[in-house]
Amino acid sequence: AQSVTQPDIHITVSEGASLELRCNYSYGATPYLFWYVQSPGQGLQLLLKYFSGDTLVQGIKGFEAEFKRSQSSFNLRKPSVHWSDAAEYFCAVGGGNAGNMLTFGGGTRLMVKP
Amino acid sequence: DTAVSQTPKYLVTQMGNDKSIKCEQNLGHDTMYWYKQDSKKFLKIMFSYNNKELIINETVPNRFSPKSPDKAHLNLHINSLELGDSAVYFCASSQLAGGRGEQFFGPGTRLTVL
Repeated sequence: AQSVTQPDIHITVSEGASLELRCNYSYGATPYLFWYVQSPGQGLQLLLKYFSGDTLVQGIKGFEAEFKRSQSSFNLRKPSVHWSDAAEYFCAVGGGNAGNMLTFGGGTRLMVKP
Repeated sequence: DTAVSQTPKYLVTQMGNDKSIKCEQNLGHDTMYWYKQDSKKFLKIMFSYNNKELIINETVPNRFSPKSPDKAHLNLHINSLELGDSAVYFCASSQLAGGRGEQFFGPGTRLTVL
């Protein structure tokens, strides 16, 4: 069965500092990988996705993520965090046939210090 | 224009009642979903539905049932509500079924069962 692990429940960074959120997945074939962001009281918004090709993908709001098959990881990065980035971040894995659903990690709450 | 909308945004009700949450998408997508997000922010897929197939997460009690009057709508009916049903419920849609496509989420419905 597919699964996603986000090892960090909470992360606090200073505004302007760099950020890396970890995501490890378990999937039997080539995965479809996603990062979503959820602001307080809001639904989820897609930041970026990886299906195939270049393993470094660019997303919205200055985020990027790198797919590393050997490590089963898809970590999210941003070089300089803004206060508005404070939110909950979810990694998800899917793929395969139409009957295969998207599985989300437990989320990482990002807090930004001024 | 709101891509995926849900009503109501908040729902407070007594144990044992029957309630419904409505979801509409104007994206022309073929597949819609319902997710449950618990108090710890964990997201669990409940249903995946398109005009051909309903896929049910086997852990979902049969008190929950999706109803789709047309391709743009997927409503969630809950019978005999229990305290443990309190959560935020998200509707989503995608062009590709399963875990292969980007999912667009509604703003969520916060259900509180007293």
